[in-house]
Amino acid sequence: KAGVTQTPRYLIKTRGQQVTLSCSPISGHRSVSWYQQTPGQGLQFLFEYFSETQRNKGNFPGRFSGRQFSNSRSEMNVSTLELGDSALYLCASSLVVPGANVLTFGAGSRLTVL
Amino acid sequence: SQQGEEDPQALSIQEGENATMNCSYKTSINNLQWYRQNSGRGLVHLILIRSNEREKHSGRLRVTLDTSKKSSSLLITASRAADTASYFCATDARGSGGSNYKLTFGKGTLLTVNP
Repeated sequence: KAGVTQTPRYLIKTRGQQVTLSCSPISGHRSVSWYQQTPGQGLQFLFEYFSETQRNKGNFPGRFSGRQFSNSRSEMNVSTLELGDSALYLCASSLVVPGANVLTFGAGSRLTVL
Repeated sequence: SQQGEEDPQALSIQEGENATMNCSYKTSINNLQWYRQNSGRGLVHLILIRSNEREKHSGRLRVTLDTSKKSSSLLITASRAADTASYFCATDARGSGGSNYKLTFGKGTLLTVNP
């Protein structure tokens, strides 16, 4: 069974540009979550999608957006990049099991903003 | 804001010793989970303990949960060099629909096991 696949793994952008990151969940997993990880702030929740609907959103500016497609694949977009957006972006998928939301993470997309 | 806070931030031990990490949290939870992350990689789920459980075992791992103190501990017995990683607790907080559909992670404990 294939794991969670994130692309690209590494990317370098400059301030003001935008970036789109992709996540393919484990087959059968309909929930996809995104996290930003930085040394200073740790793992910060961005958003969670289920059946193409955003069910929860973290405390990030509107420059951060996401979506989920009918095949459960998800993308997140960051517009007008800032230096502080440099981070490891982690996607995770899960089965929807009441009271036991266990996440399976991808390897992450490491974004560097210059 | 961080829901879980791990303690200590860093821990260095010798192979064969036990490692204990603690986690404190702030709100009511459905469950608490522990994850491991090797440097710069994705997180791997280790163990889940539900709010009505007090202790759980999985191989060399033992997790305890004290909901009255809003705290949990992860014990790794007979540690190995391969256990070197960062360990995170994550809480699944109760929301109006039963879940807030997110896990909130602490900042982690960096465990170094020296051979």
